[in-house]
Parts: sequence; structure tokens; C-alpha cells
Amino acid sequence: QQQVKQSPQSLIVQKGGISIINCAYENTAFDYFPWYQQFPGKGPALLIAIRPDVSEKKEGRFTISFNKSAKQFSLHIMDSQPGDSATYFCAASIADSWGKLQFGAGTQVVVTP
Amino acid sequence: EADIYQTPRYLVIGTGKKITLECSQTMGHDKMYWYQQDPGMELHLIHYSYGVNSTEKGDLSSESTVSRIRTEHFPLTLESARPSHTSQYLCASTRGPGREQYFGPGTRLTVT
Repeated sequence: QQQVKQSPQSLIVQKGGISIINCAYENTAFDYFPWYQQFPGKGPALLIAIRPDVSEKKEGRFTISFNKSAKQFSLHIMDSQPGDSATYFCAASIADSWGKLQFGAGTQVVVTP
Repeated sequence: EADIYQTPRYLVIGTGKKITLECSQTMGHDKMYWYQQDPGMELHLIHYSYGVNSTEKGDLSSESTVSRIRTEHFPLTLESARPSHTSQYLCASTRGPGREQYFGPGTRLTVT
């Protein structure tokens, strides 16, 4: 049973546009929500992460929005660039769970020139 | 860039062979993880370790085994490879109470 549901499965956006990826969870014990970026042939790398005591976190062109009551969080990629073309994974974890992450199914983002 | 290494990067092997996938990190991280991932798909945790001589099975059942004799080394072994084991295997590590996991580049395994 997938504990973190991610959508859409794939996304095509024009250069300069906004990419939006959504994730939903059920387990209210989750208290850490990272986003990972993965390029073909590489391992995932942490992009940005948020904890439920804040509703938004921004790092450069990447923003996480967090809605605790709805149990949803999303990644916004502003001014999307061809170099942002990758697969993005949301994840969640619980404190004292040995750092184990529950990953979403991934979203393949393609930014066209 | 994280210092976590996996070898080999690619492996094609016949059914029934024993294989060991190597994972090493030079960051002194106490927690290490193995994930199985089909290309572009979800990551499934198959094993984790929170320190030397500790190993636990992950959420996805796997016929592989792991060991953690040294902090920096977390190898994964398949005693008898089968075509169903064809996948990408990713190793990751993290330190103390931190949650950021650093991933290696992965091993792409094909069993013929």
C-alpha cells in the first residue's frame, strides 16, 4: 500500500513555465517531507525539504507548499529550464523510524525549449 | 556531492550465479539503506542498517541479504540470481538524527 501518492505521472512544460507536482499522504505521524530529483543513470539527490510547522519553503526557483489539514504538499518549479528535465520524487518520513523514507511513484518532467 | 560509491555500475549475469553489489561511503554515516528501483519508477526500501552489526529488512520483500561489518561498507548479496531480480539497486546513507539521504549512482543489474 503506497503511503505517499504522487501526481501527475508525467509532465511536459515549456521553458519559462511553471511545473507543479502534487503529493498526498494519510499517516499524520509523518513529520519530514523531502523532494528528490533524479537524472537518468544517477541516484536521486535532495532538492528541498519541509517540516509541517511551516506552510511554504522556497529555495531559488523551487518552492514546496504544505497543507497540513489536507495532508498534501506540492513542488512548484518556477521559470522551468531544460536542465530541470528529470524525475521528481516526493517522500515522507516519521521521527525515530531510522530515517526510513516512503517515496511517491515519481513524476517525469520534460521541459521543452 | 556526496561520497557514496557503488560497484559495479552495470552487471549482466546468468541465472543461478551468486552476486555481490558493493556500497561504500566515506562520510562516517551510521545509517545505510538499499533500494530497488525499476527505471523511472518508485524506490522500494529492501534493507537498512542503523550501525555496525545491525541489519533490518525493508518494506519490500527481497531474496537478497546484506551485512554491515564496517561502518563504511554495506554490501548486498544475491545467492542465486534470477531474471526477476533484474532492476536498479540504489544505496543511500544518512547521519545521526538527520533525514537527508545521500544516494550512490546505482547498480543496473540484468539477469539473463
